Amino acid sequence: EVQLLESGGGLVQPGGSLRLSCAASGFTFNNYAISWVRQAPGKGLEWVSGISGSGGSTYYADSVKGRFTISRDNSKSTLYLQMSSLRAEDTAVYYCAKGNKQTLRLGVFDIWGQGTRVTVSS
Amino acid sequence: DIQMTQSPSSLSASVGDRVTITCRASQSIGTYLNWYQQKGGKAPNLLIYGASSLESGVPSRFSGGGSGTDFTLTISSLQPEDCAVYYCQQSYNIPVTFGGGTKVEIK
Repeated sequence: EVQLLESGGGLVQPGGSLRLSCAASGFTFNNYAISWVRQAPGKGLEWVSGISGSGGSTYYADSVKGRFTISRDNSKSTLYLQMSSLRAEDTAVYYCAKGNKQTLRLGVFDIWGQGTRVTVSS
Repeated sequence: DIQMTQSPSSLSASVGDRVTITCRASQSIGTYLNWYQQKGGKAPNLLIYGASSLESGVPSRFSGGGSGTDFTLTISSLQPEDCAVYYCQQSYNIPVTFGGGTKVEIK
């Protein structure tokens, strides 16, 4: 069964850091781009960051550029999101979403994880 | 960035009704338009990709259409289990962008 399982969420103070993980199973991990998509409480979906299957190309939303870093370890079939300088507006459920291609552009998010909640508050 | 505008933001319809949601892109995106369903705060689920292709396992009452800047998601006969929020999404350009969502309720 194709599956994504996020972890690492929690409560963090403004200005703090957190690292999210997304463990994949059931497919050839390095064949597909993967993204992080977040959803603030009561709000819609916001794409945050994406990475190509090889890891050679990374992309960020302007709202997180310079503060978040996406990476992947294809030997461990795991995606990461290192988040720093966190702000209250980063509070959200963070989903990892598998693309259906090596590249992010022109792809589709065909599998989603269950999400991990990040709360930024003092 | 490509802006995606959905309408309506919410709707209420009766079981068996035909329901149509529209999505407009701020520039042409060909048919690189996907639709997702999100129920009860769970993870989104892919319904339609490439504007009109039905994802495996999705009921045939769901259909998508359009190209360029204007797209539709139609539920031919609304069922109680279709109560959800529906999002369109473009992958033509990065950043990937989503519409604001349409909440569908049963009257």
